[in-house]
Amino acid sequence: AQRVTQPEKLLSVFKGAPVELKCNYSYSGSPELFWYVQYSRQRLQLLLRHISRESIKGFTADLNKGETSFHLKKPFAQEEDSAMYYCALKRYGGSQGNLIFGKGTKLSVKP
Amino acid sequence: NAGVTQTPKFQVLKTGQSMTLQCAQDMNHEYMSWYRQDPGMGLRLIHYSVGAGITDQGEVPNGYNVSRSTTEDFPLRLLSAAPSQTSVYFCASSWDSYGYTFGSGTRLTVV
Repeated sequence: AQRVTQPEKLLSVFKGAPVELKCNYSYSGSPELFWYVQYSRQRLQLLLRHISRESIKGFTADLNKGETSFHLKKPFAQEEDSAMYYCALKRYGGSQGNLIFGKGTKLSVKP
Repeated sequence: NAGVTQTPKFQVLKTGQSMTLQCAQDMNHEYMSWYRQDPGMGLRLIHYSVGAGITDQGEVPNGYNVSRSTTEDFPLRLLSAAPSQTSVYFCASSWDSYGYTFGSGTRLTVV
């Protein structure tokens, strides 16, 4: 079964510290993975997708097929990074084309 | 270019009432989806559409109906509201089933 796991509900770091938001997935084929960010009471925004290997707002994520992970990283956290982060996997089979979301990790960056 | 527009932003319903959540996009996207967001649950797919006239069920379709008569509009109908449907509802659209653009959400409370 396809599944996305974000093991941390809350991650709290100080400004300037490195950040790693964990995401593990379950899928036997070639996955397509995304990170979405939701700032307080706002809409979800696409942060990055693994297929384009972009770096957005200083965040990067590398797909590790061996560990079935797609962790989101940033070397120096900023207060404005405080938000809810969702990892998502493109769905295959039933509901094809839609996304399976993890339960999200709330990132809090303290001054 | 408004993107994905959802109305209303807030709604309070009594148990048993029906209502329609509106979603419209002006990007000529073929794919549209409805998700509900609940604390600790992430986002769960309710219904989706891969084009005008085509809809299908997601993970949690019970109690909801959709239709897609035009490319632009994808309304979500609650047939007989229940307290369990208290949630934040997001509509999303995409042209390639990759990166979805989300609306700003409808916060629904059923009392």
